[in-house]
Order: sequence, then structure tokens, then C-alpha cells
Amino acid sequence: QVQLQESGPGLVKPSQTLSLTCTVSGASINRGSYYWSWIRQPAGKGLEWIGRIYTGGSTDYNPSLKSRVTISVDTSKSQFSLKLSSVTAADTAVYFCARDEEVGFGESFFDYWGQGTLVTVSS
Amino acid sequence: DIQMTQSPSSLSASVGDRVTITCRASQYISNYLNWYQQKPGKAPNLLIYAASSLQSGVPSRFSGSGSETDFTLTISSLQPEDFATYYCQQSYSTPRTFGQGTKVEIK
Repeated sequence: QVQLQESGPGLVKPSQTLSLTCTVSGASINRGSYYWSWIRQPAGKGLEWIGRIYTGGSTDYNPSLKSRVTISVDTSKSQFSLKLSSVTAADTAVYFCARDEEVGFGESFFDYWGQGTLVTVSS
Repeated sequence: DIQMTQSPSSLSASVGDRVTITCRASQYISNYLNWYQQKPGKAPNLLIYAASSLQSGVPSRFSGSGSETDFTLTISSLQPEDFATYYCQQSYSTPRTFGQGTKVEIK
């Protein structure tokens, strides 16, 4: 059974860098046609895709956040990570990590998700 | 970015009702459209992928249809556990984008 678990600080000060890690268990992070994504959801609002990483290291980022986002992977620890710099209150949200299974061009979906972790940006 | 628009934003229905939610893409996305169910405090759960393929373990009362820009999620007979928020999501291009959600409430 594939499981993902987010970890990291629940409180970040404005202008600082938000850092989260997602630990994957029950599946090899570097095997198969999988991307590993970060998605966030402000309280009471919809879902926003932040970006993703392939185990070979290639990344795709949401242009709306691209200048502030870095996603990296550590296959030896079966983890991938998110860094979001220069945070403001608008970055307060539940952050999810998810597996993005890519079956073919265009056919991909988020089939496994972490439980989500609330990150609050406040001084 | 491809904009995804769901309708309605919310609906009230009774157990046993047939429920239909629509999702419209701002441009052609072939059949690269997924549906998720989210309950309060939980992560979204994949229901349908590639517009009409039922994810393993998902009850057959859920079905999806559509192509190009217009898509539909149907729940044939609403069950108590189906009261939740539903999201569509396109996988045609990055950035991946979601609809704003449709909340299904008890009438």
C-alpha cells in the first residue's frame, strides 16, 4: 500500500522560506512513470497545483509560483521536498503531496495523496 | 493556463437521487480530465480518470463522460457517504488546474 506523509513546520514567519518534506512508503520513489507533486488548499477554498518532480530530477512548476518554488528529491531517503520562499499570509494553506501517475501523454492523475499538513504564515 | 469551471458550485440532494456535475475547460483537453471527491479534513480521492475510467475500488454508481471541453460526473443513486465536495482536474498540460469544486449537501 502506497503511503505519503508530509512533515515540516506548521508556522512560518512572513518573508521566510516554507520547507516541507514528503516521505513515500510502500512504493519505490524512483521506479515507474511517476511524478511527485505538491498541491495546496487554503482554508475553505479550492486546490492549487504547485509543481512536480520526476525521479530523474526534471521539474515543472506553476508559473504563478515559479519564481519562489523549488522541488527536489532524495531517492535514498524515499523523500521529495518543497521550498517556497518569501512567504506571505496568502501562502497559508494545507499542503498536500501526491503521486502523479503518468500513463501516457496527457493521461495522468493523482492517485495517492498525503493527509495534508497545515502551514500558517504569521509573525 | 487552462481554466476549469464547474457547475453548480453547490447542490442539495436526497439519498437515492441522481446527481450530475459538469466541468468545462477553457480550451480543448481531449479526454484528459479527472474527478476527485474530498471530504472535510481529508485529502482528495481519485474517482474517475481519463474522463470515463473508474478508479479501482470506486463504486460503480460513479461515472464520467465527455470530451474536448465539456465533461460530466454522474452519481446514479446518491448514498450518505457521497456527501462531499467534488473537483475536476485537467491533465492535458501544465500547470495542472482544478475546478473550483461542487459541494453536494443533504437536502
